[in-house]
Amino acid sequence: NAGVTQTPKFQVLKTGQSMTLQCAQDMNHEYMSWYRQDPGMGLRLIHYSVGAGITDQGEVPNGYNVSRSTTEDFPLRLLSAAPSQTSVYFCASSRTGGGSYNSPLHFGNGTRLTVT
Amino acid sequence: AQTVTQSQPEMSVQEAETVTLSCTYDTSESNYYLFWYKQPPSRQMILVIRQEAYKQQNATENRFSVNFQKAAKSFSLKISDSQLGDTAMYFCAFILNYGGSQGNLIFGKGTKLSVKP
Repeated sequence: NAGVTQTPKFQVLKTGQSMTLQCAQDMNHEYMSWYRQDPGMGLRLIHYSVGAGITDQGEVPNGYNVSRSTTEDFPLRLLSAAPSQTSVYFCASSRTGGGSYNSPLHFGNGTRLTVT
Repeated sequence: AQTVTQSQPEMSVQEAETVTLSCTYDTSESNYYLFWYKQPPSRQMILVIRQEAYKQQNATENRFSVNFQKAAKSFSLKISDSQLGDTAMYFCAFILNYGGSQGNLIFGKGTKLSVKP
């Protein structure tokens, strides 16, 4: 049981480049989300999805796109990377909602992205 | 809008001693869940303990316990018999419960705990 798998673990981009951070879960969770973690800022929600074909914006969505064509996968796309997007990115999933007592969020191991 | 505040950016404790991490939150709702997550240097996010707002009894998980004060909107984490492996960033988190469906998890900014030998 792999849980939530994120790839890559590390990535360096130049300003203006594009890339996709991959996230896959094998727990048949309906809810998936992307957070970014910056020093002194905690984790902030970028985008989330409550099921295949449904996505919505979180607190800091600008510069990021997502899609949810299957229950398992929830990729995060950076169309034109900027230095302000240097961060650690976490994908998380739960059976229902954004994380409940009986189905708390399960996190991937994160992707450290540096934009130069 | 709901907010979560962790007022201690950094703390340290001697091995085998007890330490308490503070967390307050702001909401006008009555039905919600609270969590503490641990993030060791490996970067992994690990659920430490969880609490349902309508339960008066404080949650405990081995050496970890909470002091949940609903009226004061406070949710502190106590770590007893601290171990070197407790060295980590600790995040307090809050989520509303809308009668069976939930909003999104909101995190505090974290407390960096160092356990010293």
